[in-house]
Amino acid sequence: AQTVTQSQPEMSVQEAETVTLSCTYDTSESDYYLFWYKQPPSRQMILVIRQEAYKQQNATENRFSVNFQKAAKSFSLKISDSQLGDAAMYFCAYRRQGSARQLTFGSGTQLTVLP
Amino acid sequence: DTGVSQNPRHKITKRGQNVTFRCDPISEHNRLYWYRQTLGQGPEFLTYFQNEAQLEKSRLLSDRFSAERPKGSFSTLEIQRTEQGDSAMYLCASRLNEGTGLHFGNGTRLTVT
Repeated sequence: AQTVTQSQPEMSVQEAETVTLSCTYDTSESDYYLFWYKQPPSRQMILVIRQEAYKQQNATENRFSVNFQKAAKSFSLKISDSQLGDAAMYFCAYRRQGSARQLTFGSGTQLTVLP
Repeated sequence: DTGVSQNPRHKITKRGQNVTFRCDPISEHNRLYWYRQTLGQGPEFLTYFQNEAQLEKSRLLSDRFSAERPKGSFSTLEIQRTEQGDSAMYLCASRLNEGTGLHFGNGTRLTVT
């Protein structure tokens, strides 16, 4: 079974600084997708960034980028120039390509942005 | 794109009662998911529909839970004989195809007293 581990229950960062959130996963599959989702206090989960396992290039979306280390099964999220609106719970998620269709989520990291 | 809509936002019920939640996915999305999220945890998969067919069910989905998606549009999740342990946020999500991310609704928070 696939598992996703987020070892940092809470993180904080000063506004305009950079923060990295960690995620590791366990799978025997070679083809899969990885995601980071953001869940602000308003509750709605929002997709931040996604990575296909077959791509060596790390995904980037504006201030958000990932460091995908397939051999180490590591998928960290870097937020640059942090903004107050980035404060939220961040979830790392895994989905196997093909027949398994559901996401497996980690337990989340609560990010606080300090003014 | 009006997003994924869930109703009601909140539901308080007494133990033993039945409850039903509704999810309206993004209109062109044929894949629909239900997740359950307890406080401080990530969402846990409950069930998945492709069009009107329920293709996967989690072991979390006991026989008191049933989900439907008639005509492949909106979906309902019913919980019969609710228990206090059913108290959670129930999230619905949809997506268009294999390679895209999920779009989540705001969820329905269930409190069983």
